[in-house]
Amino acid sequence: GDSVTQMEGPVTLSEEAFLTINCTYTATGYPSLFWYVQYPGEGLQLLLKATKADDKGSNKGFEATYRKETTSFHLEKGSVQVSDSAVYFCALDTGRRALTFGSGTRLQVQP
Amino acid sequence: SAVISQKPSRDICQRGTSLTIQCQVDSQVTMMFWYRQQPGQSLTLIATANQGSEATYESGFVIDKFPISRPNLTFSTLTVSNMSPEDSSIYLCSVERQGLGTGELFFGEGSRLTVL
Repeated sequence: GDSVTQMEGPVTLSEEAFLTINCTYTATGYPSLFWYVQYPGEGLQLLLKATKADDKGSNKGFEATYRKETTSFHLEKGSVQVSDSAVYFCALDTGRRALTFGSGTRLQVQP
Repeated sequence: SAVISQKPSRDICQRGTSLTIQCQVDSQVTMMFWYRQQPGQSLTLIATANQGSEATYESGFVIDKFPISRPNLTFSTLTVSNMSPEDSSIYLCSVERQGLGTGELFFGEGSRLTVL
């Protein structure tokens, strides 16, 4: 079945550090890939997405590229801020209109 | 964007009791989804609820344990029946972002249940 594997957290960085959160997936067909973020005290919200191979999703300085050859969708940001502290979820959709999520990675950014 | 309100936001329940979680959306939506997030784990889809039809349950989830209602296009309820400590989780309601393709979901803030 479909699955998503994320790196375990927490990830602790200093402000302005470079961020990578790894995400790999297993799926039949050609899924759409997503990153969702959950800030403290808030609901999950869509951060970015990519719908086909080699697409790059980007938002708020975050980027992720859909790599079909490595079945990966790693999240990156060049310079994190304290306000980026949150839990990040990688997810995929194979057309069922419901998502398969990874386990989430907590990011803590220290000033 | 859609605004989703869930009630209760958290509750502490006794073993063997049942609790109903409500999900209210500020716009009409076709599909509503109920997810569960157990402590330290990923979100798992429980069921998909369409207005006017029976909910569709994922493997491992049954209607007797998690009955769902969907009386109209803006409201749904999920009941967790005959609870045990293993049901302690965050339960999340979500809806699809219309017209923008698959997978873009809005989520409520979740209902955190603790079963003693």
